[in-house]
Amino acid sequence: DAGVTQSPTHLIKTRGQHVTLRCSPISGHKSVSWYQQVLGQGPQFIFQYYEKEERGRGNFPDRFSARQFPNYSSELNVNALLLGDSALYLCASSLDGSLSLSNQPQHFGDGTRLSIL
Amino acid sequence: SQQGEEDPQALSIQEGENATMNCSYKTSINNLQWYRQNSGRGLVHLILIRSNEREKHSGRLRVTLDTSKKSSSLLITASRAADTASYFCATDKELIQGAQKLVFGQGTRLTINP
Repeated sequence: DAGVTQSPTHLIKTRGQHVTLRCSPISGHKSVSWYQQVLGQGPQFIFQYYEKEERGRGNFPDRFSARQFPNYSSELNVNALLLGDSALYLCASSLDGSLSLSNQPQHFGDGTRLSIL
Repeated sequence: SQQGEEDPQALSIQEGENATMNCSYKTSINNLQWYRQNSGRGLVHLILIRSNEREKHSGRLRVTLDTSKKSSSLLITASRAADTASYFCATDKELIQGAQKLVFGQGTRLTINP
C-alpha cells in the first residue's frame, strides 16, 4: 500500500506569491495533519482535519489555510508568502482523528520543500 | 513553541557503540513518541510509550519514561551507519475532545561513523 504522498516535492516561489500544497493520506486514514519544519528545528503543528472538519489550528497567521476533501486528501494554502515561510511542509495521516493518538501513531509523507526567494 | 528539548543536540559515535538521546517536556502527557528523520525526508515512527509505562523495547531500541521528571530517553544499541539521522521526541496535546496534535522537540542529530 502507498504511504502518505505529497506534491510537489520541491517548490520555489517569490515573496507575495501564493502556494498550494497537496497531500494524499494512507488509504483508509481519515485524519490529516499539517506541520511546518524550519531547517534545524522540529516540526510545528499547523492544522488537523478529520472528516473535512478542522479539529485544530496551530499558532500560524490567517495567511495559512487548509481544507480536506471527501476522499480525505488535503490541501494547504499559503498566501502572501514571506521569506520566513521557507520550510519543509509535512503532512501526516492517521486512522481516526476522533480517537486519542495514544493508540495510533501518525504516518508522515516526505514533505514539500518550499523555498521563498 | 517547542514542548520538549532533546539532549544532546548532536551526537557522533563509532559504529557498534550505543547511542543515548534524552528528551524533556513541560506539561503532563498521555503518551510520548520517538520519530526518526533521514536528511530531507519525512518522519518515521519508531516507538510510542504511554504515560503509565516506564520502559519499552523494539528491536535495538529501548525507550524509558519518567513522568515524575518529565523526561524520556531513547537508547539505540549496536549502532549502524544506517542509524545516522535526526531523532525527535513528540508529546501529545489535546486539540478538542478526542483529538490531539503532536508537539516536537528540536531533535538530536545522530552521526554514526564507520
